[in-house]
Amino acid sequence: DQQVKQNSPSLSVQEGRISILNCDYTNSMFDYFLWYKKYPAEGPTFLISISSIKDKNEDGRFTVFLNKSAKHLSLHIVPSQPGDSAVYFCAASGQGGSEKLVFGKGTKLTVNP
Amino acid sequence: DTGVSQDPRHKITKRGQNVTFRCDPISEHNRLYWYRQTLGQGPEFLTYFQNEAQLEKSRLLSDRFSAERPKGSFSTLEIQRTEQGDSAMYLCASLRTPANTEAFFGQGTRLTVV
Repeated sequence: DQQVKQNSPSLSVQEGRISILNCDYTNSMFDYFLWYKKYPAEGPTFLISISSIKDKNEDGRFTVFLNKSAKHLSLHIVPSQPGDSAVYFCAASGQGGSEKLVFGKGTKLTVNP
Repeated sequence: DTGVSQDPRHKITKRGQNVTFRCDPISEHNRLYWYRQTLGQGPEFLTYFQNEAQLEKSRLLSDRFSAERPKGSFSTLEIQRTEQGDSAMYLCASLRTPANTEAFFGQGTRLTVV
């Protein structure tokens, strides 16, 4: 039973365009959501997070949107750069982020020059 | 602050052998997690410590797995009688609660059981 789903295994975009990565969750107890970026043979690197009391959080080129009613969040990267090519994991947690993380399967983003 | 450190980075072992991994969290991080990642999957929770206390274990953690964090600093994860299905990337993460809500991960230990 997957509680966090990333339905697109891969995404390819042109440099300079917008990348949109999507994530759905099923557990209503999740109240904190994070995106991690992972390069091969390395551990995940924290990118951006959002609390369920917000619907948007922005950090430079990265913006995360949360739609609680749809149990859906998305990560927007604008403009996309070749260095953004990596696997992106969506993760969810309860109790304001203090519980263990539940991850999706990841989306491999390729940004073409 | 040197980040979360894991040792070794790679381990190849024969089926049936015991292996032990070490994780050094970011200093003053009171919470430490172990996750396992297999090919094509996201990291899956194994267990976590609040200081030296092990507060939760996943049902993924069979009796062959044991984890310790004896002084609330570094942690070890031991797998006894390894099986081929144990081959995975083992990830350690830490954070400081309640101040932080973003866990920082180490680079992982890649285990291959042959």
